[in-house]
Amino acid sequence: DAKTTQPPSMDCAEGRAANLPCNHSTISGNEYVYWYRQIHSQGPQYIIHGLKNNETNEMASLIITEDRKSSTLILPHATLRDTAVYYCIPKNNAGNMLTFGGGTRLMVKP
Amino acid sequence: DTEVTQTPKHLVMGMTNKKSLKCEQHMGHRAMYWYKQKAKKPPELMFVYSYEKLSINESVPSRFSPECPNSSLLNLHLHALQPEDSALYLCASSQVDMGLSNSPLHFGNGTRLTVT
Repeated sequence: DAKTTQPPSMDCAEGRAANLPCNHSTISGNEYVYWYRQIHSQGPQYIIHGLKNNETNEMASLIITEDRKSSTLILPHATLRDTAVYYCIPKNNAGNMLTFGGGTRLMVKP
Repeated sequence: DTEVTQTPKHLVMGMTNKKSLKCEQHMGHRAMYWYKQKAKKPPELMFVYSYEKLSINESVPSRFSPECPNSSLLNLHLHALQPEDSALYLCASSQVDMGLSNSPLHFGNGTRLTVT
């Protein structure tokens, strides 16, 4: 699976959009990009995943660049409850493992 | 709330004790996973069960012994642990083995284990 680079931490004002970047320049053609988050003292929570098209659900939007070397998770109106560590994880169907990298610690401030 | 239930939430055990962690899901998922998470680190995969059979063991020491009695239950038996095994132990499940599909993992909130 591809390696990822995420900023270790980010701040966002409550009510504003949070844009979390992820670089996955070694991603292969059959690897999806998954995003999970982990709120303090809880297990990781699935947010969204995509292959090459942009995706949106009730939690977030995922923008994947045309060359698929990077992606951005967008929380359109961040709340204090969105404070968490956000993990970007490339994964292909051949692997059983979901391998977590360092993630980005997002702090949403009032 | 999570649909994957782990018990107990907290566990303190001595190095000579035997204890078990339990995980249960009723979503009809046929793949279940154990992860270990040390403080301020990302989760690390330990074991994967697919259709009640062990499919992956990430070179985990034998003092950790997984068991999958049926498709809804996953246990982790602990024996002769060391203080460095203190961590958050996370259970997860997915519709099928993630190696065969894109179904996401659903995690429980973990058991926080302290070995004294």
